[in-house]
Amino acid sequence: AQSVTQLGSHVSVSEGALVLLRCNYSSSVPPYLFWYVQYPNQGLQLLLKYTTGATLVKGINGFEAEFKKSETSFHLTKPSAHMSDAAEYFCAVSAGNQFYFGTGTSLTVIP
Amino acid sequence: ETGVTQTPRHLVMGMTNKKSLKCEQHLGHNAMYWYKQSAKKPLELMFVYSLEERVENNSVPSRFSPECPNSSHLFLHLHTLQPEDSALYLCASSQDRAGFANYGYTFGSGTRLTVV
Repeated sequence: AQSVTQLGSHVSVSEGALVLLRCNYSSSVPPYLFWYVQYPNQGLQLLLKYTTGATLVKGINGFEAEFKKSETSFHLTKPSAHMSDAAEYFCAVSAGNQFYFGTGTSLTVIP
Repeated sequence: ETGVTQTPRHLVMGMTNKKSLKCEQHLGHNAMYWYKQSAKKPLELMFVYSLEERVENNSVPSRFSPECPNSSHLFLHLHTLQPEDSALYLCASSQDRAGFANYGYTFGSGTRLTVV
């Protein structure tokens, strides 16, 4: 069975500080991994995705994520947080014929 | 227009009303989905359509009735809803056939539904 775990339902960082949002997955087949962002009263927008190839994936708005098979992780990072990064972030995995979302992490950016 | 468009953006309805949510995708995708997003709860997959055929119905109450007349349009018909049905309803589409969304989903902006 496949699943996604996001550690920390709420994360707060200061403006300009490193953003680290954690995601671990379990999958019996090679996974495709995604990060989505959701702003208030909006749908989910794709930030980045890992399918195959390079394990460090760069996305929009300066975010990137690294697929680490040995750790079954796909953590999302951004070197310097901006106020506009405040949103809900969802990790997701597609494996076999199933697609799973994590429960989300709410990011607060403190001025 | 591009992407996935949902209408209306906001809807308030009484428990005896009948209303419909509409979703339209302009991406040429093969599968479409309805998700329910409630506060403090994970995203809940409701219905999946692949090339206009319903392939999944995740034990959703019959007061929710989906319709997919063609590969670009998806509706969610609502009747005799309960207050606990208040939520953000998200439509999504995927390039792959249903269940193999290896390219990910494209979401609409959602319909904020309030049942009074």
